[in-house]
Amino acid sequence: DGGITQSPKYLFRKEGQNVTLSCEQNLNHDAMYWYRQDPGQGLRLIYYSQIVNDFQKGDIAEGYSVSREKKESFPLTVTSAQKNPTAFYLCASSLDRGSQPQHFGDGTRLSIL
Amino acid sequence: SQKIEQNSEALNIQEGKTATLTCNYTNYSPAYLQWYRQDPGRGPVFLLLIRENEKEKRKERLKVTFDTTLKQSLFHITASQPADSATYLCALPTGANNLFFGTGTRLTVIP
Repeated sequence: DGGITQSPKYLFRKEGQNVTLSCEQNLNHDAMYWYRQDPGQGLRLIYYSQIVNDFQKGDIAEGYSVSREKKESFPLTVTSAQKNPTAFYLCASSLDRGSQPQHFGDGTRLSIL
Repeated sequence: SQKIEQNSEALNIQEGKTATLTCNYTNYSPAYLQWYRQDPGRGPVFLLLIRENEKEKRKERLKVTFDTTLKQSLFHITASQPADSATYLCALPTGANNLFFGTGTRLTVIP
């Protein structure tokens, strides 16, 4: 079945450490997105990518980095510069941007040790 | 800046009744609006899209309306079931052609 796979499901980070969240899709979608979800808040866009080797900052990109070397993969690195990284991170993809529905993975919950 | 308000954080309803969720928006005139369902610990799942020239859209027990004058969308679930219990999110396109999500309404259907 086609879909989006995020791993790991749970991740713990030590202070000062960078961690990378994986996102893989086999839907042949061009566009991919990373969101952060905090309790009581809507999904907030971190980064998005329209096509391979291209990505743009979203609303809260500070302290995060991404790469898009392959169409299927869009990993997110949470750097030590992100001072409040504890959150639920969601990856999504869509056929292209615009009105196309977004398909989401089941998220990675990141916590600080 | 854009703002989305979903009617309440939580809505409890008796099984078999119609659940009505509200999505109000300001400072924007979107060409379409989307609704998603999110279960605890899972990613959102797309349900319906309605465009600005459509007054109403239906899918099985779901119905969405879009009133561009009132700047409001209503999401109805008829003959609600306990399995419909989830958080429902509305989302609007931004000027950058991404989606802006509301905070959601947590629906509980009581048997």
